[in-house]
Amino acid sequence: AQKITQTQPGMFVQEKEAVTLDCTYDTSDPSYGLFWYKQPSSGEMIFLIYQGSYDQQNATEGRYSLNFQKARKSANLVISASQLGDSAMYFCAMRFTGGGNKLTFGTGTQLKVEL
Amino acid sequence: DADVTQTPRNRITKTGKRIMLECSQTKGHDRMYWYRQDPGLGLRLIYYSFDVKDINKGEISDGYSVSRQAQAKFSLSLESAIPNQTALYFCATSDPSRGNNEKLFFGSGTQLSVL
Repeated sequence: AQKITQTQPGMFVQEKEAVTLDCTYDTSDPSYGLFWYKQPSSGEMIFLIYQGSYDQQNATEGRYSLNFQKARKSANLVISASQLGDSAMYFCAMRFTGGGNKLTFGTGTQLKVEL
Repeated sequence: DADVTQTPRNRITKTGKRIMLECSQTKGHDRMYWYRQDPGLGLRLIYYSFDVKDINKGEISDGYSVSRQAQAKFSLSLESAIPNQTALYFCATSDPSRGNNEKLFFGSGTQLSVL
C-alpha cells in the first residue's frame, strides 16, 4: 500500500541555520509526485515545492530545496538560512498515478525557529 | 479575493445536529476535495469529486456526505454530528492538466467543534 511517513513530530533550528525535514514514502508505482506544504499558526496551507518521480534534478524554490533520493524513497525538505517566519507545521504529500490521483499526506513536522 | 472560499470559518455545534460546510471556488478547476486535519494525524481525505457528476469516498467517509452542486461548489454535510468529528476541515481544488504536478489549492479551513 502507498504510504508517506514523517518521523519527526517536532524540530528546532537556530535562526540563519539550515534544517532538513524528513519524508519517506512507499510505492511500487513508477510515476508519482511529491509535494511539501507549510501551515503557519494562522492555519492556511501554503504550497512550497514539487518533485516529480522522473525529474533528474532536485527541485529548488528560493530557500527551499528537495533532497530527492529515489532509491531510498525519501524526499526531504531542506530550508536554508532559517527565519523566524519559517516556524510552522510542514507536511509532505504524495500523488500516486495509480492511486486515483489523490494527494496523500504525512502526519507533519512542527518546526520552531529560535533566535 | 480568495480563490477557494470556505464558510463558515468557525462553527460550534451540539452532538446530533446536522451541519453543512460549504466550499466555492473561482479557479475553474474540475476537481474538488474535502480533507480533515487532526493533531498528529495530518490531513485525511473524506470525499472528492473530479467533475460535477462524480463523487468518490476517501479514506474516512463514514458519517459524512457531500454534494457537488456545480463545478464551483462542493459542500460537506455531517448528518448527525459527534464529538470525534471535531477537527479542522479543508476544501481544496486541483487542475488535472498538470499531470503529476497537480498540486492542491486550499481554502482557509473551517474549525468545527462538536460538543
